[in-house]
Amino acid sequence: ETGVTQTPRHLVMGMTNKKSLKCEQHLGHNAMYWYKQSAKKPLELMFVYNFKEQTENNSVPSRFSPECPNSSHLFLHLHTLQPEDSALYLCASSQVSRGGALHNEQFFGPGTRLTVL
Amino acid sequence: SQELEQSPQSLIVQEGKNLTINCTSSKTLYGLYWYKQKYGEGLIFLMMLQKGGEEKSHEKITAKLDEKKQQSSLHITASQPSHAGIYLCGAVHAGGTSYGKLTFGQGTILTVHP
Repeated sequence: ETGVTQTPRHLVMGMTNKKSLKCEQHLGHNAMYWYKQSAKKPLELMFVYNFKEQTENNSVPSRFSPECPNSSHLFLHLHTLQPEDSALYLCASSQVSRGGALHNEQFFGPGTRLTVL
Repeated sequence: SQELEQSPQSLIVQEGKNLTINCTSSKTLYGLYWYKQKYGEGLIFLMMLQKGGEEKSHEKITAKLDEKKQQSSLHITASQPSHAGIYLCGAVHAGGTSYGKLTFGQGTILTVHP
């Protein structure tokens, strides 16, 4: 596997279900990100992890719970979602400096298309 | 209001025509990124601009960042059907929090008719 992979590619779930999205990067990067892309809205940053530490939570509801066990893996745990949470969820990774300045581009996975019924 | 405004929102051109997509920020940019996305798929990195007046080209795509670092344009020469997709600009704003916080424009949908 190369680049950034995401599983599953498609997910349909009910509002009472619990599911998880998985992201893996094979690029040796030290930062990983979750984004949400809804129809007719700009791509929204949800969470940022640098060196396995969460450095950004962009006012995301608690029904979304991220987990970063190591610098290569990122999960997004989902529970009691709402139909308006249906969207394309994109994972990305990049290399950042310890000082936090962003110099390098983010590499994106193919996304998980989530439908909440 | 949007921190990054893209125009036009959609564009339909005939194959072989040139086109330009613009990205404007209300704040000075630290870095500006252009991505391309096929519908329902991930983003593909095109180019990154950091210096005022910088210009980069790859194949038939040229991106420029103005001297004030608040506006960027993406120009495609002699468009082909393979150029079709959604073009997004993303930016890190100067003086903001760091650690990879990219803000994106709403995207420009490009259709190229053969």
